[in-house]
This record gives sequence, C-alpha cells and structure tokens, in this order.
Amino acid sequence: GAGVSQSPRYKVTKRGQDVTLRCDPISSHATLYWYQQALGQGPEFLTYFNYEAQPDKSGLPSDRFSAERPEGSISTLTIQRTEQRDSAMYRCASSLDRGTDTQYFGPGTRLTVL
Amino acid sequence: EDQVTQSPEALRLQEGESSSLNCSYTVSGLRGLFWYRQDPGKGPEFLFTLYSAGEEKEKERLKATLTKKESFLHITAPKPEDSATYLCAVRPVGGSEKLVFGKGTKLTVNP
Repeated sequence: GAGVSQSPRYKVTKRGQDVTLRCDPISSHATLYWYQQALGQGPEFLTYFNYEAQPDKSGLPSDRFSAERPEGSISTLTIQRTEQRDSAMYRCASSLDRGTDTQYFGPGTRLTVL
Repeated sequence: EDQVTQSPEALRLQEGESSSLNCSYTVSGLRGLFWYRQDPGKGPEFLFTLYSAGEEKEKERLKATLTKKESFLHITAPKPEDSATYLCAVRPVGGSEKLVFGKGTKLTVNP
C-alpha cells in the first residue's frame, strides 16, 4: 500500500476484555515496529519484527501484551485482560529493512479502556 | 540508560521569527539521530537523519545539525503551516532497531 495503515482507528473497551490491533505496513517493507504513545509524550518502543522474526520485545510492558507477524506482512498487537493504564495511542511503523533507518509511521489506534 | 531531552516543551513564534529547537541525548553509542514532525491526530512524519557530529541537513525552512551531545533544528522565517510538534529520536548502538524518542517541542507560529 501507499502508506502504513492501522485498524481500528479508535477502540473503546471495558477493563478485563482482550483487544487486537492490526497494522498493515508499506508493501515490501521487511521491518515493522510497534510503539505506544501517551498524550503529550513521544512514542515508546514496544517490539519489532524483521519479516516474521521478532528479535526484540523488550518494550512490551507485561506478559498481557503480545504481537505476531506470521507471514511477514500484516502484524497484530494483542492486549489481554486490558487495564485502564493500557489506554494510549498505539502506533505502527515500517522500514524497508533492518539496515535502512527511516521508519514510516501509521495513523495509530487510539485505545480507551473504561 | 539511553535518554533524549527536548527543549523547550513549547515555543510560540511570530511568522518570520527564526528560532531553534534543542535535542540533547545520552546514549552508549549513536547509530543515528532522527527528526520527525507530528501534526495533531496524525503519525510522526520523517524529516531528517543525522549520523555523525558536524553533519547538517536542510529541507525548505528547516535545518538540522548534530554535535556529540545534542542536535538543533533551526527554523528560518517560519510560516503558520510549520506549526506542529517536532520529535527527536536516537537509535542507540546495540543491535535493536528501536528508536528512543524525546517528548517533543510543540511549535506554534502565529500569522
């Protein structure tokens, strides 16, 4: 696609429910990143994929958070048993490959946990 | 710990009034420093990458410079459409591809 797309754009859920967010990177981009951005803050790294491999998930806040990219293109971020503190903007970015520095960001998914 | 600090947090300028935004960083080793622009409700938009001290890059009214401890984003004769939050990020040496972002500087340019 022309740019990184994310869905849904907005998600409201109740505490304790599971949510799954989706990211569709730029076509042919090998590397995909997930960030969490609180209001008034810069994005904070969660995890990244190189194709379907997940070399670094050190930024995931707890084991309730997991991400997949089974076929090396679309990725999902799942948050189990959501808590109010999970409310944030979740941003996905992609880059051509690991050696290429420019990360292109999607519009984000605004998650609100009631 | 890798850290990025941006100042000021907010800056108001009159159209045509040049100024600079600061990004100071602490990293074990620097693989690259990045500037992004973020408009309300949108994802960060890439502006520049700088790799080594002394490097400079320009794009329209923006010029980014890099030293061993900080980077500056110079805005010359800004226009209202330059109003946005400017984010600075570093990619540390260490094998991961993550970026470490600062909190950003919110720039408002009044006509």
